[in-house]
Parts: sequence; C-alpha cells; structure tokens
Amino acid sequence: RKEVEQDPGPFNVPEGATVAFNCTYSNSASQSFFWYRQDCRKEPKLLMSVYSSGNEDGRFTAQLNRASQYISLLIRDSKLSDSATYLCVVNIYNDYKLSFGAGTTVTVRA
Amino acid sequence: DADVTQTPRNRITKTGKRIMLECSQTKGHDRMYWYRQDPGLGLRLIYYSFDVKDINKGEISDGYSVSRQAQAKFSLSLESAIPNQTALYFCATSAGGQPQHFGDGTRLSIL
Repeated sequence: RKEVEQDPGPFNVPEGATVAFNCTYSNSASQSFFWYRQDCRKEPKLLMSVYSSGNEDGRFTAQLNRASQYISLLIRDSKLSDSATYLCVVNIYNDYKLSFGAGTTVTVRA
Repeated sequence: DADVTQTPRNRITKTGKRIMLECSQTKGHDRMYWYRQDPGLGLRLIYYSFDVKDINKGEISDGYSVSRQAQAKFSLSLESAIPNQTALYFCATSAGGQPQHFGDGTRLSIL
C-alpha cells in the first residue's frame, strides 16, 4: 500500500465552481501535512500546511481527519490560474521524510 | 534570482555516461535533498543531507551518489547512467523540520 494516495483526477470544473478532493495516508504516526501545487513541468510549491483544527488561506481550505487518516483540500470560486496538480505531502517523523502523493490534477475552464 | 538553483535544466545523454546534477541555494538552509519524479508517481527521495558532513540514503539511492561540497551546494551524480534513470530531478532545501523548497528541476533523458 502506498504511504500517500490521491485520486489522480482530472477534476474539470468551470470558473467560479467549488472543487474538493482528498488524500489518504497509511501511517498513523504521521506528524505534519501539507498541500503543494505543481504546474506542468515546474517545481512543487508549498500551497499550505494543514493543521489539526483545519485552516483557510483565502479561497483554499484544508482539513485533517486523523481518525480516518485523510486530509482534504477545498478550492472555492475557482480561477483559471488554479489549474494545476495538487500534491498531498505527509511528514511521518516530523523531521526529514516527506512522503508525496502522485497528485490530483485540477483543470478550471472558462 | 531563484533561491534554489539547479543546473543543468535539461540534459540528454547516452547510456553509460557519468552525469552530475548540481544544486545551489541562497536560503541559508542546513538541509538539502534530491528527489526524482516519474509520471504517475510521487516524488521519491534519493539522498538527503542535514549538514556538510552528513549524507543519508533515501528510498531509491541505488545507482546514485551525492556530494555536499558546502552548506549551499549539493550535487547528485549518476556514475553510469541507464535509461530507467530518465526522470525529472528536483533539489530541495529546508530549515529544520520546516516545509521544503524546491529548485526548478532538471529534466534528464538517457538514451
């Protein structure tokens, strides 16, 4: 079983729509969680950390469910510029070892 | 200028050649990492270094070696390249347990 699993998508949504997707992780000892964004053929960039109580950053909301071992990302009022692949990243030992999901592709259409 | 710089950005070479990918950073971070990314797979850790004298293998280190020449420089070598090492390679840095920051990537093709 992969340490981090994501629905690859693609999620095709119109501008202004809300899109949400999850990521599951296998190791219950996982300590910290992140969402990264990766544009085609570019480097991953940190979108946001995910906190236990859930957190928002503008139109983006991240949630953590430790009991069911998943994190989620919700994007409200989608923009064309939100089109990207979103990588779920889990830090198991709160130190160096990041485990990356393969990514969920989101395409926002005009 | 980018905080984490990788050279070259693209490289095409032949099987059996020795290749070095270089990474330098201006962020002052102590930790540096090398990953590879293949289609449909998440990034996989090749090697990481917490300090100039510290080198550790990641999950897929076979066929690779690294050198941490200075706090700001971390290079990855393929001693004898093979086609299944064709991938997108990323260098990353971090300060302690903080999120990692990635370089622009090196697209490597081995024929």
